[in-house]
Amino acid sequence: AQSVTQPDIHITVSEGASLELRCNYSYGATPYLFWYVQSPGQGLQLLLKYFSGDTLVQGIKGFEAEFKRSQSSFNLRKPSVHWSDAAEYFCAVGHNKLIFGAGTRLAVHP
Amino acid sequence: EAGVTQSPTHLIKTRGQQATLRCSPISGHTSVYWYQQALGLGLQFLLWYDEGEERNRGNFPPRFSGRQFPNYSSELNVNALELEDSALYLCASSALTGTGANVLTFGAGSRLTVL
Repeated sequence: AQSVTQPDIHITVSEGASLELRCNYSYGATPYLFWYVQSPGQGLQLLLKYFSGDTLVQGIKGFEAEFKRSQSSFNLRKPSVHWSDAAEYFCAVGHNKLIFGAGTRLAVHP
Repeated sequence: EAGVTQSPTHLIKTRGQQATLRCSPISGHTSVYWYQQALGLGLQFLLWYDEGEERNRGNFPPRFSGRQFPNYSSELNVNALELEDSALYLCASSALTGTGANVLTFGAGSRLTVL
C-alpha cells in the first residue's frame, strides 16, 4: 500500500535553531517526493521536489531535503529557522495524484 | 500569471443540501485535482480530472462528484451533505514536467461548513 508517515505531529523550535522534519514513505515504484507548506487559512505552497538525480535537493525559503532510498525517507531540513516558518508542513509522494502525510505543525519560539 | 483560483471562499450549508465548488486551473494546465482537508484527517484525495475525463477517484461515496469543462475548469459537487463533509476543499492543477512528473499547484481552498 502507498503511504506517507510524518512521525511528528507538533514540533517547537527556537528562532535561529536548526530544523529537521521527518518523512517516511511506502511506494511501489520509484517515488516522486514533495514537501509542501501550509500557512493558516491558506492553500499549499510547494517547497521542493525530488524526481531523480542528486539526492539532496534545494528548495525555496532556505529549505533542503535529502532522499534516502535505503531508509525510504525524505526528511526536510533548515539550518536556521525564522519566526515566519511557523506553519504546517506536508510530505507527499506520487506520480499523478499525490498521497500526503498527516502533516507536522511547526511552532517557532522567539 | 494567475494561480489556481477557487470559489466560493466560504460556503455554509445545512444537512441534506447540495454544495458546488469551483476551480480554475493555471493557464495551460490540463489536470485538476480535488482534495478534502478535514480537521484532524489530513489531505484526502478526492478526484483527478485530465482533458475532461475522470482519471482517478479516491475512497469517497458517490455523492461526491465533479466534472471538468472544455476550458479545463472544474466543479466539485457534494450531494446530500452530512456534518462530516465540513472541511477545506483544495483544488490543484498540474502540467507535466520534462521528466513526466506532475507538479501540483494548489489554490487557497473553499471552506465548506455543514450545519
